[in-house]
Amino acid sequence: GNSVTQMEGPVTLSEEAFLTINCTYTATGYPSLFWYVQYPGEGLQLLLKATKADDKGSNKGFEATYRKETTSFHLEKGSVQVSDSAVYFCALNFGNEKLTFGTGTRLTIIP
Amino acid sequence: EADIYQTPRYLVIGTGKKITLECSQTMGHDKMYWYQQDPGMELHLIHYSYGVNSTEKGDLSSESTVSRIRTEHFPLTLESARPSHTSQYLCASSPQGGLRETQYFGPGTRLLVL
Repeated sequence: GNSVTQMEGPVTLSEEAFLTINCTYTATGYPSLFWYVQYPGEGLQLLLKATKADDKGSNKGFEATYRKETTSFHLEKGSVQVSDSAVYFCALNFGNEKLTFGTGTRLTIIP
Repeated sequence: EADIYQTPRYLVIGTGKKITLECSQTMGHDKMYWYQQDPGMELHLIHYSYGVNSTEKGDLSSESTVSRIRTEHFPLTLESARPSHTSQYLCASSPQGGLRETQYFGPGTRLLVL
């Protein structure tokens, strides 16, 4: 079946540090890939997505590139801020109704 | 910006009570979902719906039930709440048709059963 494996957290970084959160997937075929973010006390929000190989999704300074050869969709940001502290979920789907989520990575940015 | 609402945001209730968690969306989306989120953050799909009068069980077995009488409304009911039902419940919706739809999430209901 389909699955998503995320870098285990929690991750703690200093402000302005470089961020990478790893995400790899197992799926038959070529799914769409997503990063969702959950800020404290809130629901999930779509951060970025990519629908085919080599696509790069980007939003709010975050980027992720759909790598078919390594089945990966790592999330990166060049300079994190305290306001980026949240839980990040990698997810995939095939355009059916079910998103397959990773287990989430809690990110804390310290000033 | 997605318009999907959940009420109540927080609920503390005693064992054995019947509760209904409300979810409404104003985007005209056909598909709606309920997820249960562990304290450890992992999300589990417990119910979903393709449209009016459609309800399906998700990947995680749940004692809750859902109904979909109107497109915009997808309430979740627990007939007799138990402490094991303590969790956060997230509602989501997505448009019908095409591939690669995005799901839009509500803010969640945090439930504590004493």
